Order: sequence, then C-alpha cells, then structure tokens
Amino acid sequence: SQTIHQWPATLVQPVGSPLSLECTVEGTSNPNLYWYRQAAGRGLQLLFYSVGIGQISSEVPQNLSASRPQDRQFILSSKKLLLSDSGFYLCAWRQRGGWNTEAFFGQGTRLTVV
Amino acid sequence: GQNIDQPTEMTATEGAIVQINCTYQTSGFNGLFWYQQHAGEAPTFLSYNVLDGLEEKGRFSSFLSRSKGYSYLLLKELQMKDSASYLCASVSAGNKLTFGGGTRVLVKP
Repeated sequence: SQTIHQWPATLVQPVGSPLSLECTVEGTSNPNLYWYRQAAGRGLQLLFYSVGIGQISSEVPQNLSASRPQDRQFILSSKKLLLSDSGFYLCAWRQRGGWNTEAFFGQGTRLTVV
Repeated sequence: GQNIDQPTEMTATEGAIVQINCTYQTSGFNGLFWYQQHAGEAPTFLSYNVLDGLEEKGRFSSFLSRSKGYSYLLLKELQMKDSASYLCASVSAGNKLTFGGGTRVLVKP
C-alpha cells in the first residue's frame, strides 16, 4: 500500500533562518507531488507541484523554493524565513495518469516563525 | 488560471441537511474533488466528479455541472462529528490541483 511521510510535525524557527521540509512517498512510482500552505482558518494555498524529477511548477514567488531530487521525494526550502511564512504545510501525492485519482496528504508540518 | 469560490461558513442542526456550493473557473478542467478537514488535521477525500450529475456515497452526495462551473456537496442526517471544514478542489489537465478557501460547517445539537 502507498504511504506518505512528512516531517517534522512541528517546527519553531527564528526569522531569517533557513527551512527544509521533506516529504517522501512509498509504494508507488511517478507520483504527482504537491506542497500547500494553510493559514489558520483558511483554505489550502498551492505553493509548488511536480509531475516528475526535476520538474517544478511554482505558484507563488517570494522566498520559498521546492526541489524533487528523486522520484518520490519532494523538498520545500527557504534560505531566510519571514514571519509570514508561519502556517500549516501539507505535502500531497496523486497517481499520475489516473484521471479520477484522489490526492493523499501527509500529516502536515506546523511551522511557527518567531 | 483557476479560481474557486465557496462560502466561508455554514451552520446547521443535527439530523438536518446542508448543501455546500462551489463555483470554479478552471482552464483544462479535469475533475472536481471534495475533501473534509478537521481542525489541525490533514484533509481526507470525500468525492470526485468529472461528469455531470450526482454521485452518492452514503450520507454524502456531490453534484457537478460543467457547463455552469458549479458543484455542491450535500450532507444528509448531519451528525456532530460532521463539524469540520469542507474543501472544494479542481484539477486541470496539467495535474494542477487547486483548492478553494474551504467552508466551515458547524453542526449544532
């Protein structure tokens, strides 16, 4: 069966520090991968998505970046965090090629920038 | 581009029915999802529609009209545990999955 791992679950970082959030998927190959951010009481904002190794589509500018060094690994990074980067970060995967396949989410990382 | 709108909040009574509407504008539309999210948790899948019409799954049903760019999620026989946010999301042909702002449903006894 397929599983998605996202870590850490919670993170407190000072303003200006770097960030690296990792997401890995097991039990499938060639997944579509997504990073979302959710502010308190709001919907999911799409940050990045990837349809293959090294292929990243960016939906937001600013100080975040994403990389996909391996087929089932998706990394969200920042060189210098801002206060506004605080939020709930969710990674998701979806089977490629299936038109009716649902997206499965990791458990999320709650990031607080102080 | 993609634009998805849904109401911010709805309140209903236990045992009643609630309908959550969603309108979307999606280039290369390839389907519409509904997810449930309890506070502090990851979203969980409820339904998927790509053809016009109603899909029923127990107490939950979802409807799609592609020509109108419109969907709704119908929750019947509401239970207290149904208090949650309900997220509408559209998929484009390029596999871009975009969510709306979510509708917070509060079920009262």
